[in-house]
Formats: sequence, C-alpha cells, structure tokens
Amino acid sequence: KNEVEQSPQNLTAQEGEFITINCSYSVGISALHWLQQHPGGGIVSLFMLSSGKKKHGRLIATINIQEKHSSLHITASHPRDSAVYICAVTGNQFYFGTGTSLTVIP
Amino acid sequence: DTGVSQDPRHKITKRGQNVTFRCDPISEHNRLYWYRQTLGQGPEFLTYFQNEAQLEKSRLLSDRFSAERPKGSFSTLEIQRTEQGDSAMYLCATLGGRLGTEAFFGQGTRLTVV
Repeated sequence: KNEVEQSPQNLTAQEGEFITINCSYSVGISALHWLQQHPGGGIVSLFMLSSGKKKHGRLIATINIQEKHSSLHITASHPRDSAVYICAVTGNQFYFGTGTSLTVIP
Repeated sequence: DTGVSQDPRHKITKRGQNVTFRCDPISEHNRLYWYRQTLGQGPEFLTYFQNEAQLEKSRLLSDRFSAERPKGSFSTLEIQRTEQGDSAMYLCATLGGRLGTEAFFGQGTRLTVV
C-alpha cells in the first residue's frame, strides 16, 4: 500500500468546470505539497500546507490533519491547467502519490 | 526559479554510455533527495543525503548507479552503462529551513537512452 493515495488517477473536464483532486496519506507528516507537472516538463511546486487552506488565483488547497486528507481545487478550469498533479508529503523523506492526470477540454 | 537547479534538463545518450546529472540545492537545505519518475508513475525514491552523508539508498539504485554529495553542497548522480530502462525523469528535491519542512523541487533531468 502506498503511503500517499490520490484520486482520481485520470480526470477529463470541460473548460470552466470546478475540479477537485483528492489526496490521502498514512504517515506522519511535517507538510503536504501539491505539485504540477506539464507533459514533458519538470515539477512545479503549487502549495505547501501544514494546516488549513491556501489559495493562489484559481487554485485552492485544503488539508485536514486529523483525517490525513487534502484536496486541490481548480475553479473555472482552463485547457492550460491540463497537467499531472502530484501530492507529496514530507516527514523524514518525501512520499509521492502517483499523480492525477487532468485534461481540460475547450 | 525553484531554488534547486538541475543540469542538464535533457540528456539523450546511447545505451552503454555513462551519464552524470547534477543538482545544486539551496545552501541552507541539508537534506537532498534523488527520485526517478517513469512515464505515468509517481516519483520513486532513489537515495538521500544529510549534508555529505548518504543515509539511505533504495533497492532501485543498482550498482550501476552512484550518487555523491561532496562537501554537503551540490550532488551528482551517475549512471554507468546506461540501459533503455533507465530512461526516466530524475528529480532532485531538498528539505531544510528552520523547521525542516521547507521543501524545494528541481525541474528534473529527462534522460532518454537510445
């Protein structure tokens, strides 16, 4: 069993839709990270969370420490949001989810 | 600028050749990690350093792979006698900061073995 589980694995949405990606983890953590990776590209860090909620533009990330669960929301999705979104947690090392591949159709 | 630089960004090599990748971390981050990511998979742990000491190595890190972090600053990952199965994205990440939770990720080196 992976220490970090993401769902869904694949997601297709129409432009403008509200998107939610979920992440559950089973290890003790110091922080949780949401990462974005465009096809053929490197990893970009979107958020680091240790509690509560953060917002950058159309992206919102929340974390519930007691439930060991985090969500990444994208409001008013756009085709340029198409990418793989990876949840990672840090304790004494990084544990990565396998990623959610998002495709936003115009 | 992610704070962690990896070089090169892309590498194409012939099977059997040796390759070396470099990661330049944020100077205050004493923990440095190497991960490998193959298509459609999440990153897999390879090895990590606390300063210059290599503290853990994954079983994925065969004897063709070696990593160093001299002086606890930049790190190198070398793959000898490359195989097509080594084709992947190699990621460097660091942990540090006052609480040890500050994390930065390099953009990765994409290796293609032909």
